[in-house]
Amino acid sequence: NAGVTQTPKFQVLKTGQSMTLQCAQDMNHEYMSWYRQDPGMGLRLIHYSVGAGITDQGEVPNGYNVSRSTTEDFPLRLLSAAPSQTSVYFCASSYSAGTGEETQYFGPGTRLLVL
Amino acid sequence: AQSVAQPEDQVNVAEGNPLTVKCTYSVSGNPYLFWYVQYPNRGLQFLLKYITGDNLVKGSYGFEAEFNKSQTSFHLKKPSALVSDSALYFCAVRDMDNTDKLIFGTGTRLQVFP
Repeated sequence: NAGVTQTPKFQVLKTGQSMTLQCAQDMNHEYMSWYRQDPGMGLRLIHYSVGAGITDQGEVPNGYNVSRSTTEDFPLRLLSAAPSQTSVYFCASSYSAGTGEETQYFGPGTRLLVL
Repeated sequence: AQSVAQPEDQVNVAEGNPLTVKCTYSVSGNPYLFWYVQYPNRGLQFLLKYITGDNLVKGSYGFEAEFNKSQTSFHLKKPSALVSDSALYFCAVRDMDNTDKLIFGTGTRLQVFP
């Protein structure tokens, strides 16, 4: 199993550009999520999905869109990039959210710089 | 509101000495607690979790954590630190109002000196 994969590893954008961060998992996990990591702030939840066709907002959803058309993929779209979106983005998945006991597995991250 | 705190930005320890990375939590009801480690330029790796049962939880790479309900703490420990343990450590707690969400602390950087 490849686990959770993310592409690209690094991206530079200009303010106003749009892009999609890709995330895929091959573990048949129902639950997938996106976090951003900023210095001194830990990880903050952007959006999450409990299954194909179901998404919901996390702590910091503004400026980001998601969709979940398949179990495997959970892309994160930046609609109009802003310098405040410069961050490291992590995708994570777990078998389900369910009771809350499940362990989340993280991808290697995408480092995004918005100029 | 549910929250988790890591009071130390950085912990320094000499190789071979015991290490402790602190975590305290605030949740309604019984907490589900997790520790993750992040090595440079890598994603987070799961170390251990407490759901119920024995207060001392053993995890990967020789780490363990002690759940203390009266002190609302879940400190990460290792009896003998290695230089290779140097990394960023995150404590997390399940949001018991919405178990779809995991709430992370701000992280503690562990530096082990030879």
